[in-house]
Amino acid sequence: DTGVSQNPRHKITKRGQNVTFRCDPISEHNRLYWYRQTLGQGPEFLTYFQNEAQLEKSRLLSDRFSAERPKGSFSTLEIQRTEQGDSAMYLCASSPSGLAPYEQYFGPGTRLTVT
Amino acid sequence: DAKTTQPNSMESNEEEPVHLPCNHSTISGTDYIHWYRQLPSQGPEYVIHGLTSNVNNRMASLAIAEDRKSSTLILHRATLRDAAVYYCILNTGTASKLTFGTGTRLQVTL
Repeated sequence: DTGVSQNPRHKITKRGQNVTFRCDPISEHNRLYWYRQTLGQGPEFLTYFQNEAQLEKSRLLSDRFSAERPKGSFSTLEIQRTEQGDSAMYLCASSPSGLAPYEQYFGPGTRLTVT
Repeated sequence: DAKTTQPNSMESNEEEPVHLPCNHSTISGTDYIHWYRQLPSQGPEYVIHGLTSNVNNRMASLAIAEDRKSSTLILHRATLRDAAVYYCILNTGTASKLTFGTGTRLQVTL
């Protein structure tokens, strides 16, 4: 078990460019979550998948954001036409699903800087 | 989501116990109390969770008030590696997202 991995770890982009981040969850976990964290704040929920189905999206996830999990394994988060306000740490987490309150395992995050 | 209230920061000396409080007066009967921590430059890490009874694991203990309106995370012997932001989160058993507040920043000194 190598844990949740995220790539890239850092991304610097110019305003208006598109960026895509990848998350590889723990292999037996069927739930995958995306969060965003800005400096001095706790992580904020963006969206989550159960297998390949996207079951919930936050109002924070504007039309410029899209997330996919095509085969129920890895996931990608794309931001189109980036803005300076998109600068943040983007965190991915995974967990099993079921009736128990399973803990979420977080990756190290992708730090996005929009210049 | 029911809200939690935590102190912004706390300090502790190394090898002493630390009690991190959390108030959640609007907790519902189905809410579990979760604690996560975030070390510098890392993603959050699960610490412990409980419903009504006190819980112990290798990392910490969770003491839950009888009326469930508050709880305390106990680190029995703080080390420098425990310096982190600690988040107290309420979450129903099958709910998806975690709703983080700003947490308590714990500083541990020699």
